[in-house]
Amino acid sequence: EVQLVESGGGLVQPGGSLRLSCAASGFTFSSYSMNWVRQAPGKGLEWVSYISSSSSTIYYADSVKGRFTISRDNAKNSLYLQMNSLRAEDTAVYYCARERIAAAGVFDPWGQGTLVTVSS
Amino acid sequence: EIVLTQSPGTLSLSPGERATLSCRASQSVSSSYLAWYQQKPGQAPRLLIYGASSRATGIPDRFSGSGSGTDFTLTISRLEPEDFAVYYCQQYGSSTRTFGQGTKVEIK
Repeated sequence: EVQLVESGGGLVQPGGSLRLSCAASGFTFSSYSMNWVRQAPGKGLEWVSYISSSSSTIYYADSVKGRFTISRDNAKNSLYLQMNSLRAEDTAVYYCARERIAAAGVFDPWGQGTLVTVSS
Repeated sequence: EIVLTQSPGTLSLSPGERATLSCRASQSVSSSYLAWYQQKPGQAPRLLIYGASSRATGIPDRFSGSGSGTDFTLTISRLEPEDFAVYYCQQYGSSTRTFGQGTKVEIK
């Protein structure tokens, strides 16, 4: 069974840092591009970042560019999101999502998410 | 960046009725790279439709997608109780993936 399990969320002060992890299982992680998508409380979905299977291509949403860094460790079947200079508006549930190989850009499946709260 | 606008914001319908959800793009979505997701409270989104009209594995055939260019539609032919949820469209024709703001389908 394909599984994505996020961890690392929590309460952090404005200006602080946090590192999210996504543990993948049930598929050949190194063959798939991955993404982070977030959802502020009571709001819609916002794409955050993309990383290709080999880490050769990376994209960010303008809202996090220069503050967030996506990375992966294919040997550990893990995806990461390093978040620095956090702001109140970064408060959200953060989901990792796998992209389909035959339909790049389609997110399937998604993890259950980890909540990040930025507050003093 | 391609902006997606979904309408209506909320759709109030009864089980058994037909639901028609709209997603309009600010510019043409290349190769119909448009997907639809369903999200229920407290759950992660689930893929329903990709390529504008292809159903994902395990999705019932009462869900259908159509459209091209800038106008796309998700249709649920007969609403089942489990279909009441929020639906999002997403474009993946550019490096910057974007989502619509969502349409909530609620029980009337």
